[in-house]
Amino acid sequence: QKEVEQNSGPLSVPEGAIASLNCTYSDRVSQSFFWYRQYSGKSPELIMSIYSNGDKEDGRFTAQLNKASQYVSLLIRDSQPSDSATYLCAVKVNAGNMLTFGGGTRLMVKP
Amino acid sequence: GAVVSQHPSWVICKSGTSVKIECRSLDFQATTMFWYRQFPKQSLMLMATSNEGSKATYEQGVEKDKFLINHASLTLSTLTVTSAHPEDSSFYICSANVPNTEAFFGQGTRLTVV
Repeated sequence: QKEVEQNSGPLSVPEGAIASLNCTYSDRVSQSFFWYRQYSGKSPELIMSIYSNGDKEDGRFTAQLNKASQYVSLLIRDSQPSDSATYLCAVKVNAGNMLTFGGGTRLMVKP
Repeated sequence: GAVVSQHPSWVICKSGTSVKIECRSLDFQATTMFWYRQFPKQSLMLMATSNEGSKATYEQGVEKDKFLINHASLTLSTLTVTSAHPEDSSFYICSANVPNTEAFFGQGTRLTVV
């Protein structure tokens, strides 16, 4: 079992819809969780970080963390074609350690 | 946020030559930096962890003599691809963590070996 798992997609949603991206992780002691967006040919850029259970909202993005179930999700409201990219879930076990990345989910927002 | 600068952004080299890629943390000190490789339509693959003042830690299957990593200062790590071959053509990305926060990525280097 991979340490961080994501559905590779592609996830296709119409413009204006809510895109829901999910990620599960295997290490129960994981403390920090991140969502990165990566456009083709570019390096990843941070979208959201979340450290405690519950929801965290930032503009059109909402990260949700459930440590008991070991999943973290990213909701994108009012999806735009410019949101089309690969979204990487990353998990860090403790301070200073490296991030473990999921395989990424490719999102396609169709006009 | 913190800035990590990677150079060059792209390079084309002849088979058998060596290529050096630099990764700099511009506004923070990074005792640890990470080097990733990404093939088309695939996810990031961690190659090695670069530790300032000590030897790098390589992931299984990554040849340490082929991918030389030097982390001589708290703001600079370099990756040298030695005797490059076409199969080494890939997108190489570095990252650095500010302690207790997220990782910041360099812009990436597109290496093409002809």
